[in-house]
Amino acid sequence: DAKTTQPPSMDCAEGRAANLPCNHSTISGNEYVYWYRQIHSQGPQYIIHGLKNNETNEMASLIITEDRKSSTLILPHATLRDTAVYYCIVRGFSGGGADGLTFGKGTHLIIQP
Amino acid sequence: KAGVTQTPRYLIKTRGQQVTLSCSPISGHRSVSWYQQTPGQGLQFLFEYFSETQRNKGNFPGRFSGRQFSNSRSEMNVSTLELGDSALYLCASSLGTGYANEKLFFGSGTQLSVL
Repeated sequence: DAKTTQPPSMDCAEGRAANLPCNHSTISGNEYVYWYRQIHSQGPQYIIHGLKNNETNEMASLIITEDRKSSTLILPHATLRDTAVYYCIVRGFSGGGADGLTFGKGTHLIIQP
Repeated sequence: KAGVTQTPRYLIKTRGQQVTLSCSPISGHRSVSWYQQTPGQGLQFLFEYFSETQRNKGNFPGRFSGRQFSNSRSEMNVSTLELGDSALYLCASSLGTGYANEKLFFGSGTQLSVL
């Protein structure tokens, strides 16, 4: 089962910042938070990941709360091409190496013109 | 740098047949993982191969198997196909360190339809 909880859908106006929340209250100390997105019928696209510090790259920012029980993905200036399903994933490590990614149902983000 | 390449893009089979899907990882990547995506179950992890050995495995029956070659290319096989095996099969490649902070890069998938 997925270790994360996300709202099923969200709307955002084009040009505004899109803030996607994720709850992961049972996260362990050595587990990372990953964000991927998937546009219909394509493979998931990596966005960003982090452990405890906030992270930023050319696509997005990731804000992780101090207790690590939740995080927010921020797309600073959303465009119509950002319409996709966004997955928040918690990934750890077991004896055989890093765990496979466990995808939940994600958030369907719709960018409105 | 070329991305993850999966072939074929579409495949139609009938119940009881077997099928082999192929994945070429990004150059320099040594780990290949396979995922199944269906409307009902979403994206589910099948298995991961590293250095020609299965390193991690999801919760799928033995009809699903895979292998990896010395050049890191991977194939997955599904035997005795069932209608429920209709899905988008995705391959992901990574460097293969085994650490949880390693990014996975996905291909576009193979859409398998079982009739």
